[in-house]
Amino acid sequence: DTEVTQTPKHLVMGMTNKKSLKCEQHMGHRAMYWYKQKAKKPPELMFVYSYEKLSINESVPSRFSPECPNSSLLNLHLHALQPEDSALYLCASSHTLLQDEQFFGPGTRLTVL
Amino acid sequence: KQEVTQIPAALSVPEGENLVLNCSFTDSAIYNLQWFRQDPGKGLTSLLLIQSSQREQTSGRLNASLDKSSGRSTLYIAASQPGDSATYLCAVNTGANNLFFGTGTRLTVIP
Repeated sequence: DTEVTQTPKHLVMGMTNKKSLKCEQHMGHRAMYWYKQKAKKPPELMFVYSYEKLSINESVPSRFSPECPNSSLLNLHLHALQPEDSALYLCASSHTLLQDEQFFGPGTRLTVL
Repeated sequence: KQEVTQIPAALSVPEGENLVLNCSFTDSAIYNLQWFRQDPGKGLTSLLLIQSSQREQTSGRLNASLDKSSGRSTLYIAASQPGDSATYLCAVNTGANNLFFGTGTRLTVIP
């Protein structure tokens, strides 16, 4: 299995909702990442987990809350988002945090109304 | 802070043509460089990874080169096909697998 899966594919939420994005990989990778990509822009790193511990938080607002319950799963909990948070959220994984190739999932298209 | 630039921003070529996409970065202290393709509204597909100690990597019709000292990488696509139409992104790894992405080149291959 050489795939990173993400659910849901699309999500529409109001500013008062609480929702979660899910990412899963079964490649035995120990590093997982969340990126945010706005339209016609390159992806920007949000969070990095290494061996289920948060390694990097790129000054992301607290309305985004990551969680890594086990080595295969990565969640992103969303609460009180703003319309400007609408974007494609991409999950990626790599073998370790060293110089390893990153593999990306198909993304979740999030719209905040 | 690392800045990554890709030129051109958009490129249209007729089918069968060979083409080169360019990527430049400001800080040569990188661990590796990765090339991706992205179809509209989709995730990223990894094409090639070049470690900082390597000069080039090949996969099928794709060849990527790296000149770390001058801060440049190129992606060469041979015998282009309409299915190659996508946005191509380069990304440099500056440590802890933190990728800095370029602005992308949108490629259209005309049948």
